Amino acid sequence: EVQLVESGGGLVQPGGSLRLSCAASGFTFSSSWMSWVRQAPGKGLEWVASIKPDGSAKYYVDSVKGRFTVSRDNPKDSLYLQMNSLRAEDTAVFYCAVYNGWAFDYWGQGTLVAVSS
Amino acid sequence: QSALTQPPSASGSPGQSVTISCTGTSSDVGGYNHVSWYQQSPGKAPKLMISEVSKRPSGVPARFSGSKSGNTASLTVSGLQAEDEAEYYCSSYAGSGNYVFGTGTKLSVL
Repeated sequence: EVQLVESGGGLVQPGGSLRLSCAASGFTFSSSWMSWVRQAPGKGLEWVASIKPDGSAKYYVDSVKGRFTVSRDNPKDSLYLQMNSLRAEDTAVFYCAVYNGWAFDYWGQGTLVAVSS
Repeated sequence: QSALTQPPSASGSPGQSVTISCTGTSSDVGGYNHVSWYQQSPGKAPKLMISEVSKRPSGVPARFSGSKSGNTASLTVSGLQAEDEAEYYCSSYAGSGNYVFGTGTKLSVL
């Protein structure tokens, strides 16, 4: 059974940093594209970042470029999102998801990031 | 990277069919067959319902179907059931490693 468990969310002040983690199991993590997708309270889904299986390529939505960094540790079956210079508009539930080449076919339960003073 | 356009709401009675549209551009929906649909119930993670425009993953009922014409993709739910009431989102590859989601449609079963 595929399991994705996010952690690391919480309350942070504007300008602060946070590191999200996603622990994966039940599939071959090292062969899978992984992504982060977020959802602001009461709003729709927004793709944030994706990373190639070997970590050699990373892609970001324009609004987080230069502030967020996606990374992975394949031996630990873990995905990360380092978020710096956080803004109020980054407040959202962050989901990690497996991308199978065509769609985001497995999702975690999400972790809430709240940016407020 | 503009969101794909979906109607805010759709509705139908049990047993009826309803179609939700998802309009993009030639740079996303019209340019690729990487169009997918997701069902999200309140407080839950999204669930993949349709992949590659029209393919149903294992376990998704056959009453869910997808199609695409030009820059617009569609999700049709036939034989509506009460359990189909949820928010639905489309998504498309947008080139250069980027992805875009739709604005979301709240489906109500009357």
